[in-house]
Amino acid sequence: DQQVKQNSPSLSVQEGRISILNCDYTNSMFDYFLWYKKYPAEGPTFLISISSIKDKNEDGRFTVFLNKSAKHLSLHIVPSQPGDSAVYFCAASTTSGGSYIPTFGRGTSLIVHP
Amino acid sequence: DAGVIQSPRHEVTEMGQEVTLRCKPISGHDYLFWYRQTMMRGLELLIYFNNNVPIDDSGMPEDRFSAKMPNASFSTLKIQPSEPRDSAVYFCASSPDPGYEKLFFGSGTQLSVL
Repeated sequence: DQQVKQNSPSLSVQEGRISILNCDYTNSMFDYFLWYKKYPAEGPTFLISISSIKDKNEDGRFTVFLNKSAKHLSLHIVPSQPGDSAVYFCAASTTSGGSYIPTFGRGTSLIVHP
Repeated sequence: DAGVIQSPRHEVTEMGQEVTLRCKPISGHDYLFWYRQTMMRGLELLIYFNNNVPIDDSGMPEDRFSAKMPNASFSTLKIQPSEPRDSAVYFCASSPDPGYEKLFFGSGTQLSVL
């Protein structure tokens, strides 16, 4: 049973437009959320994170929004660039029990067209 | 730092053969993780170590899988005997203590079992 769900396997966006990647989770104990980016033939790299005490975290062109009541988070990329084309993994972890080990979703493949 | 180093990058073997995947974590990182990536399940945690000691191996799919960490700079994941359903990309990751919510991944080993 997937505790972290990325229901869109792929997303195609025009360069300069906004990319919105979505993620849902089922475990109410999750209180820390991360996004990783993965290029072909490389390992995932950490992109941005958010704690459950916040509802928004911004880093340059990347913003993550958290809606705790809906158990939903999203990653916004504005403006999108061709170099953003990659697979994006959503991950969630529980800090209260001392175990920070993240649980990952299946990933969403983003393609940004020039 | 060279980052997390995995070998081999690609492994093609026949069903029933033994497969050994290798990982060198980032120096000074106390946590080491083995993940498997498949289309169906995304990134699954197989096992993780803290200070060379296995902490949680509940993700190891079967007794055919085993992992060791004989010292702080080396870990192996062994599959014996291998089966076609083991075909996947296997990632090793490490992280410092504390803060192991952000993992540093290697480039992965693409395993194909024929």
